[in-house]
This record gives sequence, C-alpha cells and structure tokens, in this order.
Amino acid sequence: EIVLTQSPGTLSLSPGERATLSCRASQSVSSSHLAWYQQKPGQAPRLLIYGASSRATGIPDRFSGSGSGTDFTLSISRLEPEDFAVYYCQQFGGSQWTFGQGTKVEFK
Amino acid sequence: EVQLLESGGGLVQPGGSLRLSCAASGFTFSAYGMSWVRQAPGKGLEWVSHIIASGGTTYYADSVKGRFTVSRDNSKNTLYLQMNSLRAEDTAVYYCAKRLTPTITVFDYWGQGTLVTVSS
Repeated sequence: EIVLTQSPGTLSLSPGERATLSCRASQSVSSSHLAWYQQKPGQAPRLLIYGASSRATGIPDRFSGSGSGTDFTLSISRLEPEDFAVYYCQQFGGSQWTFGQGTKVEFK
Repeated sequence: EVQLLESGGGLVQPGGSLRLSCAASGFTFSAYGMSWVRQAPGKGLEWVSHIIASGGTTYYADSVKGRFTVSRDNSKNTLYLQMNSLRAEDTAVYYCAKRLTPTITVFDYWGQGTLVTVSS
C-alpha cells in the first residue's frame, strides 16, 4: 500500500498570503492518479485538482497543483477567507485508493 | 444536478450488521464507478470500497475485506454497502462518491454522508 504523508500538519497564514502544501508518497505515484481535495467542517470533501495539476470544474485559478514521482504540491496563490479548511491528497495504485492525513490551513 | 444521498446509518452493537444505501440522480449512474469513503470522528479520510460501473468488479481496503460487501443496482440508481461483523473502529461518517470518469481515478461528487456508530 502506498502511504501519503502530508506536511505540514497545520499551516497558520493570513488572508492574501500564499499557501504551499506538500504530499509525499512512499513510492512513485502516477501523476494521472494524484488528486487534492478541500474539506470544511461538517461538509463533504470537494475535488480541487486531479491528474496532479488539472483544476476541477469551477475551481478558481489561485489553486494550482504540481509535482511528479513521490513529491506533489498544492499551492494557493492568495488565500481567501473561504480557503481556510483541511486539504487532502489522494492517490490510486494497485487497485487501492489512499489519502494523506490532511493539512489544516488556519487563520494566523 | 448530480445528487448523492446516503442513508442507513445509525447505532449498532459490536458484531452487528448494517446496510448503507446511496441514491444517485442527475447523471447516468450505470456509466460510473462508485466508492465508499469513511471519516472517523475528528480524523482523516479513509477509502473503503469501490465498484465499477457494471458492478462486475469490486475492491476493498484491507481493513474491511471479508466483512464489507459493496454492490449496486443500476436499475434503481442505488449503491449499497453491506457491513457485517462491525467493530468500534468502524465508527465513522460514510460517504459515497462518484468517480470522475472511467479512466480518472478521483471522485468529483460526494454525498453528505451517513453516520455509523458501533458501540454497546
């Protein structure tokens, strides 16, 4: 099973700042199978990025994804108040889906 | 508009059984793979099970293999999760999720979730 490790666990930032979230895989992951989700309290996850770098429908262009192999990054160029949430990376491999443990982006 | 509506959650004793349902609408249900993903209270997301569009192939996380069974009825646009031999660690909100496309292994729509509590 491929393990995804996200860092940092918590990111304390202010609106307007840039957020950089990391997702590291225990072995190489196909970029086509790497996604990022946003989850707010009491809500279901929302797909942000798929294929490591493609924005899902309706996702603002301040969200971008990059990376390959074992290291992937989600960037939020300028944090809006609605972006403070928990973010998860997800991969598919060997007929199994796995999620990272999440990074919480909180108000500084 | 795509909608996924889970039901069937509740309180069950350890060792008991429960069947979850996910009613789908707003898309051609029979054309998409579907998954169950759970989230224990205050914890992260854990993928549980997946079934392909036709229902012919299923996948399970090691933590539920042999205890949970995923199925679907494409004539009723409904996904199911039969959960047997439930344990305290199965306590979670269970989400059903729609796969983006047959070749893209991510989930673009999620239900609101149904809470399963395993406790005596």
